[in-house]
Amino acid sequence: AQTVTQSQPEMSVQEAETVTLSCTYDTSESDYYLFWYKQPPSRQMILVIRQEAYKQQNATENRFSVNFQKAAKSFSLKISDSQLGDAAMYFCAYRSPFGNEKLTFGTGTRLTIIP
Amino acid sequence: ETGVTQSPTHLIKTRGQQVTLRCSSQSGHNTVSWYQQALGQGPQFIFQYYREEENGRGNFPPRFSGLQFPNYSSELNVNALELDDSALYLCASSIFQGSTEAFFGQGTRLTVV
Repeated sequence: AQTVTQSQPEMSVQEAETVTLSCTYDTSESDYYLFWYKQPPSRQMILVIRQEAYKQQNATENRFSVNFQKAAKSFSLKISDSQLGDAAMYFCAYRSPFGNEKLTFGTGTRLTIIP
Repeated sequence: ETGVTQSPTHLIKTRGQQVTLRCSSQSGHNTVSWYQQALGQGPQFIFQYYREEENGRGNFPPRFSGLQFPNYSSELNVNALELDDSALYLCASSIFQGSTEAFFGQGTRLTVV
């Protein structure tokens, strides 16, 4: 079974600065998908960024980028130019390409933006 | 904007009662997954429905059951509620084997007293 670990329960960053959230995972599969989801107080999970394991290039979406290290099974999220609206819980998630589309989530990191 | 809607948004039930939570999928999506998110935890997979059939189940007892209807909307039923069932229940819809992205609803907050 796959597991996802987020070792930072809370992080804070000054507005306009850069912050990196960590995620590690364990799997025996060679192909899979990784995601970062944002959960604001509204509770709805919002997809921030995704990475396919077979792609060596790190995914980027505007101010959000990942550092995907397949051999180390590491998948960190970098948020540049942090904004007040980035404050939320961030969850790292794993999905196998086989079987059902179950997502395995980490325990989350609460990100606070300091004005 | 995802289009996945869940009802009700909040619910309070007494231990031993039964509850039904509802989810309306995003248009064009044929797969619905349900997750339980306890306070301070990440979501845990309960089960998934594809074309009205259960297509995978997490480590939850049989008193957690579900349905998917021809319009791909879904229900989550929980019988004999326990205090530990208090959680946020999230529904996610997707296109089976056609997309790597699941869209989530805003969840139902269930409190069991």
